Amino acid sequence: DQQVKQNSPSLSVQEGRISILNCDYTNSMFDYFLWYKKYPAEGPTFLISISSIKDKNEDGRFTVFLNKSAKHLSLHIVPSQPGDSAVYFCAARWGNRDDKIIFGKGTRLHILP
Amino acid sequence: NAGVTQTPKFQVLKTGQSMTLQCAQDMNHEYMSWYRQDPGMGLRLIHYSVGAGITDQGEVPNGYNVSRSTTEDFPLRLLSAAPSQTSVYFCASGGASGANVLTFGAGSRLTVL
Repeated sequence: DQQVKQNSPSLSVQEGRISILNCDYTNSMFDYFLWYKKYPAEGPTFLISISSIKDKNEDGRFTVFLNKSAKHLSLHIVPSQPGDSAVYFCAARWGNRDDKIIFGKGTRLHILP
Repeated sequence: NAGVTQTPKFQVLKTGQSMTLQCAQDMNHEYMSWYRQDPGMGLRLIHYSVGAGITDQGEVPNGYNVSRSTTEDFPLRLLSAAPSQTSVYFCASGGASGANVLTFGAGSRLTVL
């Protein structure tokens, strides 16, 4: 039973346009959501997060939106840049415990020149 | 500031051999964990530790042992390697529970023949 779902294995976006990565979850106990970015041959790095008490968090070009009623979150990257090409993992945590962080399967983002 | 250091980066084993993947962090983090990443499977938690002397199982612990004798080190042991353990392994650490953000190592690619 997959609790955190990233249904798009890959996404291609033109440089300068908006990239939207989606994530759905099933467990209503999740209280914190995170996005990690991963380049080849490197470990994932933290990108942005959002608490379940908020519906939006913004950090520069990156914005995460949370729709609790739909159990859906999305990551918006505006404008998209070549360095954004990477795999993006959505993750969700519950119970204020680091061991209760569940990762999605990831979405590979390709930024086209 | 090295962060999380994993060794070795690459390893090839024969079925039945044993080995240890090393992980060290210099951030004085209490929480450390091991994940494996397989194609189409995302990141899955193997074992974790919330402090020296304390370890517990994650989602996929079978075939792996861990110990935490110091705050800095969290080795992962494969006692009898199997082809199903071919994967990329990531060590991660985090601050006090609730810190939300994990810092990952660069990964160790293991192939079991």
